[in-house]
Amino acid sequence: EAGVAQSPRYKIIEKRQSVAFWCNPISGHATLYWYQQILGQGPKLLIQFQNNGVVDDSQLPKDRFSAERLKGVDSTLKIQPAKLEDSAVYLCASLPTALSYNEQFFGPGTRLTVL
Amino acid sequence: DQQVKQNSPSLSVQEGRISILNCDYTNSMFDYFLWYKKYPAEGPTFLISISSIKDKNEDGRFTVFLNKSAKHLSLHIVPSQPGDSAVYFCAASEAGKSTFGDGTTLTVKP
Repeated sequence: EAGVAQSPRYKIIEKRQSVAFWCNPISGHATLYWYQQILGQGPKLLIQFQNNGVVDDSQLPKDRFSAERLKGVDSTLKIQPAKLEDSAVYLCASLPTALSYNEQFFGPGTRLTVL
Repeated sequence: DQQVKQNSPSLSVQEGRISILNCDYTNSMFDYFLWYKKYPAEGPTFLISISSIKDKNEDGRFTVFLNKSAKHLSLHIVPSQPGDSAVYFCAASEAGKSTFGDGTTLTVKP
């Protein structure tokens, strides 16, 4: 079974530029999460999708971050414009359904550096 | 207000000995607890979990203990192996939404 795919793996941009990340979850997984992991901290939830609908985006800085999951499969996360404090690893995870007893399957992450 | 805390940023143990990683939480609505292991440049991978209705779950060398009254859980690794060296994240889940601690870096010395 193929795992969660993310691209790019690394990205370096200057502040005020835009950037987009892509995630392809495990086939058949209805629930998809985007996390931000700042160095030395744990993953922090940005947004949760169930199929192509948003379940929770309460922690997403909506003035600069946006995410979509068209057709309920792969997803993109965009930052526009980027700030220095956005430097982090962006992790995508998926679940068959949003059941609390299921472990999440994580992708390798995209490491973003904002200069 | 951090709902899940791992108070030890790092832990070093000798190969063959026991590793004990601790985690505290504040939200009594959490109904499921998980431990993830993370190697550099990789995403976290699931290790072991426990439901809030249980106090112990064991899987091979890994055992998780839950003390609901103290809002505390711990992960025991026995015996520890050099390949266990990684960052360990505790996560607490409520209705499918997980909150993570900041991780403990475990180093197992040969």
